[in-house]
Amino acid sequence: DAKTTQPTSMDCAEGRAANLPCNHSTISGNEYVYWYRQIHSQGPQYIIHGLKNNETNEMASLIITEDRKSSTLILPHATLRDTAVYYCIVRRHGGSQGNLIFGKGTKLSVKP
Amino acid sequence: SAVISQKPSRDICQRGTSLTIQCQVDSQVTMMFWYRQQPGQSLTLIATANQGSEATYESGFVIDKFPISRPNLTFSTLTVSNMSPEDSSIYLCSVGLQAGYEQYFGPGTRLTVT
Repeated sequence: DAKTTQPTSMDCAEGRAANLPCNHSTISGNEYVYWYRQIHSQGPQYIIHGLKNNETNEMASLIITEDRKSSTLILPHATLRDTAVYYCIVRRHGGSQGNLIFGKGTKLSVKP
Repeated sequence: SAVISQKPSRDICQRGTSLTIQCQVDSQVTMMFWYRQQPGQSLTLIATANQGSEATYESGFVIDKFPISRPNLTFSTLTVSNMSPEDSSIYLCSVGLQAGYEQYFGPGTRLTVT
């Protein structure tokens, strides 16, 4: 699975959009981009995933560049409860195992 | 999605003892995994729990130290054997509804070894 690079930390004002970048320059054609987050003292929570098209769900939007070498997770109206570590993970679908390889992620702090 | 529970939620254990952690899912799932999160670190996969057969361990993890059972499609256990302070971590169970797709995580078991 391709490696990802994320900023160590970011701040965001409450009510504003939080834009979390991720670089995955070695991504291959059959690899998806996944985002998870981990709020303090909880298990990771699935947010969203995509292959090449932009995706949106009730939690966030995922914007993938045309060359697929980077992506941005957008939380449109960040709240204090969105303070967490956000992990960008690149992986294939299918196969006999489905393990996730977690990097260090981005620690997002939403401030009032 | 799936609702996952783990028992115990936390424990403090003495060096040399063993602890068995349970993971229960509210529906049948294809894949079950066990992860470890050491203090201040990210998650590391320990093994894939296979129903009806031996678990598949990742590099650096062995069955004698982390025996795993999965008797059916909704339940698995992880035992941390002969514990040392270095085993102090959060242990998390996760499930996948289909191989290779999104996973859902339990709340974790916080283990402290003294």
